[in-house]
Amino acid sequence: DGGITQSPKYLFRKEGQNVTLSCEQNLNHDAMYWYRQDPGQGLRLIYYSQIVNDFQKGDIAEGYSVSREKKESFPLTVTSAQKNPTAFYLCASSVTGGMQFFGPGTRLTVL
Amino acid sequence: GENVEQHPSTLSVQEGDSAVIKCTYSDSASNYFPWYKQELGKRPQLIIDIRSNVGEKKDQRIAVTLNKTAKHFSLHITETQPEDSAVYFCAASYSGGGADGLTFGKGTHLIIQP
Repeated sequence: DGGITQSPKYLFRKEGQNVTLSCEQNLNHDAMYWYRQDPGQGLRLIYYSQIVNDFQKGDIAEGYSVSREKKESFPLTVTSAQKNPTAFYLCASSVTGGMQFFGPGTRLTVL
Repeated sequence: GENVEQHPSTLSVQEGDSAVIKCTYSDSASNYFPWYKQELGKRPQLIIDIRSNVGEKKDQRIAVTLNKTAKHFSLHITETQPEDSAVYFCAASYSGGGADGLTFGKGTHLIIQP
């Protein structure tokens, strides 16, 4: 777990703004994932990437975008098209076919 | 897509007693089932997982059972302790270790009464 970092810990966004959440890992994991968690709910998959320069939509990709230019990094952009972005965002990584380990999360609040 | 149902949403047990949390899944192709523990404001932490070629797995006080026919899997915690209090999530994936991402249940808030 200690090898996955997310920043910032807290983020505030005004209506109509795009914001980017950072996720970095030094575990040499091929696969990386973004999940969203709402209060009292389970985690829902936004995007995932199994290899550099490739990524796939998850169950709730609308209003989000990602890039995977480096193996260590998988940033998530929350665009103004995401109508209800206030949530706890969790990044995870794994070796291919292995267990997923989570970063500490970013709590995003829309003002 | 996959759908995971988890019960109960809240479970209160006396310290020292056992706790059982149950999940069902919809996609018979799912073959990997992890369990995560999440304390308030913290990241989920993997506590145990099971693959579809195994019916039961145990790690000290924690065990998971899988019934593929019924599409049902359960988490068993014995001799519960105060530090077991947390929210527990089950998940399922049809791609080995979850390479295509995990589908989570909505969680069980486990309360250990002293």
